[in-house]
This record gives sequence, structure tokens and C-alpha cells, in this order.
Amino acid sequence: EVQLVESGGGLVQPGGSLKLSCEASGLTFSGSAMHWVRQASGKGLEWIGRIRSKTNSYATAYGASVKGRFTISRDESKNTAYLQMNSLQTEDTAVYYCAREEDDGSGYIDYWGQGTLVTVSS
Amino acid sequence: QLVLTQSPSASASLGASVKLTCTLRGGHSGSAIAWHQQQPEKGPRFLMKVNSDGSHDKGDGIPDRFSGSSSGAERSLTISSLQSEDEADYYCQTWGTGIRVFGGGTKLTVL
Repeated sequence: EVQLVESGGGLVQPGGSLKLSCEASGLTFSGSAMHWVRQASGKGLEWIGRIRSKTNSYATAYGASVKGRFTISRDESKNTAYLQMNSLQTEDTAVYYCAREEDDGSGYIDYWGQGTLVTVSS
Repeated sequence: QLVLTQSPSASASLGASVKLTCTLRGGHSGSAIAWHQQQPEKGPRFLMKVNSDGSHDKGDGIPDRFSGSSSGAERSLTISSLQSEDEADYYCQTWGTGIRVFGGGTKLTVL
């Protein structure tokens, strides 16, 4: 069974930082591109970014709203992807989902985590 | 610019069928898309990929009641024999080089 388990969410002050983790199991992590997607309360899904596999040089890409503030990384030995969030703003408050895509150029997400809530507030 | 357009809401009766549509804009009418379902208070779940020729590839354990089709720039998801658990938000998703895009989602109400 494929599982993506996010952790690290919580309350952080504006301007602060937070690092989320996503541990994967039941799939070939080394052949996967890992994405982060967020959802503000009552809103739709917003793509944050992704990191590709070692085969594709761990290439990263980010959405416009987080570029320069958020960084995605991965640790193959732990089957874990990370989302480092800096300079957090109140509008970054959302549930953050980790998601997976087969890193063969397919383009579509085929597994999702259950999400972790990040609240940015003073 | 890669944009996906969905109707905000749809409704259909228990046991009936419903067709949800996602329209590709920005000159990307030949692209494939993916459909994702999000039940209340849950994370999304991948349903299927729909290609421009209407062929589709489903995710693990997705019932036969769910099917996909395509017409021009429209990619559709049809759910037959509607059940109460089908009441959910449905999002389409597409991709370009270094970018992933979601539609605004359709809230499906099962009457």
C-alpha cells in the first residue's frame, strides 16, 4: 500500500520559518518526482513545487507565489521529501499536501498524502 | 498561459449519472489532464488520467462507475450509478515543463 505521511505543521509567526516532511512508503521513491500542493480553508488546490529524481538531477520547480521563499529537497536514504518555508506570511496558512508523480515525464500526480496544517499568525 | 476551467458546482440524484467537464485554455487543447477527487475533510485521491483521444488510465481501486472522455479542449469525468460517497470536490490537473496547474474544482452534490 502506498503511503505518503506529512509532518511538521503547526503555528508559526509571520516572518518565521517551518520545515515540513513527507515520508513515502510502498512505492519506488527513487523513481518518483515529489510535489507539494496546498489548500487554504474553503479554497482550491494550489501547486507549490516539485523535485525530480536523481536520474533527472533533482531538478526543482516552484509556483510564482512561493518562488524564492520555499525550497524543496529530498533524502533518498529516508524516502523523505521536505518543504522548507521561509518568510512565512498569513496568506501561507493552509493544509499542505505531499504528492507523488512517476518521474517519467507523465506529468500527473497519482498519490497524495493526508496533509498537514500550517497556520501563520501572530 | 496554461489554464483549466471548471464549473463551480454540479448536482445529480442518487443512482443517476453526472458528467463533469474541465476545459483547457491558453492554446493547450491537445493536452492530457488528470482528475482528482477530494471527499469532505480528506486529502485528494487520484482518479484517472484522460488523454486528448479520450483514452483514460485509472488509479488504483477506482470503480468502473468512473470513466473519462475528451472532446476538443474539454476533458470530462462521468460518474454513473451515483452513490452518497461520490459527494466531493473534483479537480482537474494538467502540466507543462516545470509547472503543474489545477482547475478551480467542481463541488458535486448528490441529491
